Amino acid sequence: QVQLVESGGDLVKPGGSLRLSCAASGFTFTDYYMSWIRQAPGKGLEWLSYTSGSGSAMFYADSVKGRFTISRDNAKNSVSLQMKSLRAEDTAVYYCVRDPVGYLYGMDVWGQGTTVTVSS
Amino acid sequence: QSVLTQPPSVSAAPGQKVTISCSGSNSNIGNNYVSWYQQLPGTAPKLLIYENNKRPSGIPDRFSGSKSGTSATLGITGLQTGDEADYYCGAWDSSLSAGVFGGGTKLTVL
Repeated sequence: QVQLVESGGDLVKPGGSLRLSCAASGFTFTDYYMSWIRQAPGKGLEWLSYTSGSGSAMFYADSVKGRFTISRDNAKNSVSLQMKSLRAEDTAVYYCVRDPVGYLYGMDVWGQGTTVTVSS
Repeated sequence: QSVLTQPPSVSAAPGQKVTISCSGSNSNIGNNYVSWYQQLPGTAPKLLIYENNKRPSGIPDRFSGSKSGTSATLGITGLQTGDEADYYCGAWDSSLSAGVFGGGTKLTVL
């Protein structure tokens, strides 16, 4: 079945780095944009980034531009989010999401989320 | 402060109808598609409506979406207690070159 499984969430100190990974299965990975969305505790959804099916196009939210980097490995059906210079406000559940067309036309498959906590 | 504006909460009785509004601008809702997501307590969000008014397979026709100008609306009829959740609208913002969400609306079925 179609599935996204995130991993890599952890407790990290402010200023530290972390790499999140998402393993995709059950669909033709290269046919889809892939996005990262996060949700801080008790807060709403925040779009962070997406990459096109080929990986040639990437967009970022201003809040993470220059600190986070999205990448995908189409040979391994995986997408990653490299995060650096982490701040307390980056504490959140991070979701890997499939986006058939990009541009938030409709993100139709969500992972279960992985938790990142930034604290000293 | 979210780019898209939703009411923080709405409520209605079982069996009734409720609408949730999502207000934006020409750079997002006005010129791009709107999608809606349902987040039940403790779970990941789920796609309810895509491309303004289309329902994915498996989403009952009690859920509907519409868009007019720079606003969008999610409608839910025949409310059930299982519909109690947070609902989010989302759209692409062409000026920001980024995705944007509303702050979310908590639906209570009294």
